[in-house]
Amino acid sequence: DAGVIQSPRHEVTEMGQEVTLRCKPISGHDYLFWYRQTMMRGLELLIYFNNNVPIDDSGMPEDRFSAKMPNASFSTLKIQPSEPRDSAVYFCASSFVGVYEQYFGPGTRLTVT
Amino acid sequence: GQQLNQSPQSMFIQEGEDVSMNCTSSSIFNTWLWYKQDPGEGPVLLIALYKAGELTSNGRLTAQFGITRKDSFLNISASIPSDVGIYFCAGPDDSNYQLIWGAGTKLIIKP
Repeated sequence: DAGVIQSPRHEVTEMGQEVTLRCKPISGHDYLFWYRQTMMRGLELLIYFNNNVPIDDSGMPEDRFSAKMPNASFSTLKIQPSEPRDSAVYFCASSFVGVYEQYFGPGTRLTVT
Repeated sequence: GQQLNQSPQSMFIQEGEDVSMNCTSSSIFNTWLWYKQDPGEGPVLLIALYKAGELTSNGRLTAQFGITRKDSFLNISASIPSDVGIYFCAGPDDSNYQLIWGAGTKLIIKP
């Protein structure tokens, strides 16, 4: 079975541009998580969904960040407008209901210049 | 809130050496997870522990769930170059479905 799929793997954009990151979770998983990883702050949970419904978005840093999950096999994380401090690696992870093990995608490395 | 403290922060070892790292908390955890992250990749689950005192192996890796439920240990025997990476411990937040993450132990093999 395919693991979690993320695209793009790398994104370089200019400050002020809109950025959209995409994730396809493992088929059958009920939970989807978006994380951000930086050297300074480590791995931070931004938002997570259960059955396509956002459950906790308290980790979303600002209103510039938004996430959607229109169906069980697709989610997006959007940053509009982007800023240099948004530069980080963004991970998507998914898991089954009732278990805590999360399975991660390869990440999207975002650079905002 | 709950926190996980990992030590050491980094380790320099010779190929063939055994490695030991740990994760501690002031709070009780009912599940401990160990992940490894290679450069440029996402964390990969290595071992999951569900019961206090449990000892679980995965190849050269062995992890233990501490009896007090406030700590966990990961050992790697006879390290090889591909063991290089960052090892994270994680445990579920007791108020929701999120994972609490340690800051990681970076394993570096001396040339």
